[in-house]
Amino acid sequence: AQKVTQAQTEISVVEKEDVTLDCVYETRDTTYYLFWYKQPPSGELVFLIRRNSFDEQNEISGRYSWNFQKSTSSFNFTITASQVVDSAVYFCALSDPETSGSRLTFGEGTQLTVNP
Amino acid sequence: GAVVSQHPSRVICKSGTSVKIECRSLDFQATTMFWYRQFPKQSLMLMATSNEGSKATYEQGVEKDKFLINHASLTLSTLTVTSAHPEDSSFYICSARGLSGGPQETQYFGPGTRLLVL
Repeated sequence: AQKVTQAQTEISVVEKEDVTLDCVYETRDTTYYLFWYKQPPSGELVFLIRRNSFDEQNEISGRYSWNFQKSTSSFNFTITASQVVDSAVYFCALSDPETSGSRLTFGEGTQLTVNP
Repeated sequence: GAVVSQHPSRVICKSGTSVKIECRSLDFQATTMFWYRQFPKQSLMLMATSNEGSKATYEQGVEKDKFLINHASLTLSTLTVTSAHPEDSSFYICSARGLSGGPQETQYFGPGTRLLVL
């Protein structure tokens, strides 16, 4: 069955520290898509990245980077030199069309708090 | 690009009344829209999938007669909470997916609607 696990419920760091948010997924599909979303206190989910299962290249976007490892079914997210504005809940999500059709399966989210 | 709006952002109503929430894709056409519900400190729970011009598909346990969904155009879907009760108080979020509608497309989320039923 499809599942997304974000084992870290809460993480607290001090500004300028690097922080990695873990995401482990389960699916039987060979073609699937992985996403990260940010939910700041205002509530809106902000799209950060989409990855398909055939593209294992790591990606960097500014202070954000993602490490996709199919061998360990992980799609981890690292924020370098964290800032207070990074404080939010971060969700990892999986789209596995053969199993779930058009649905997204979300992890439980990781609450990141960056302290000044 | 890929902006989704929701209206209202916040609503307080009396028990027994109905509340309509609108979800609009502002700069793209969305064949598929989704409605989620989120309780405090929890993940998103999918309520239903809404396809333009057809009936919505509801998740198990979601009452279709209580949560009426209409997707009349490629840019607008509405969720009506009928005869709302305090237990319906929650954060409702919609998302929209692009014209191709395929599962590889990204879902873009609206800002959410906080519903409080007194």
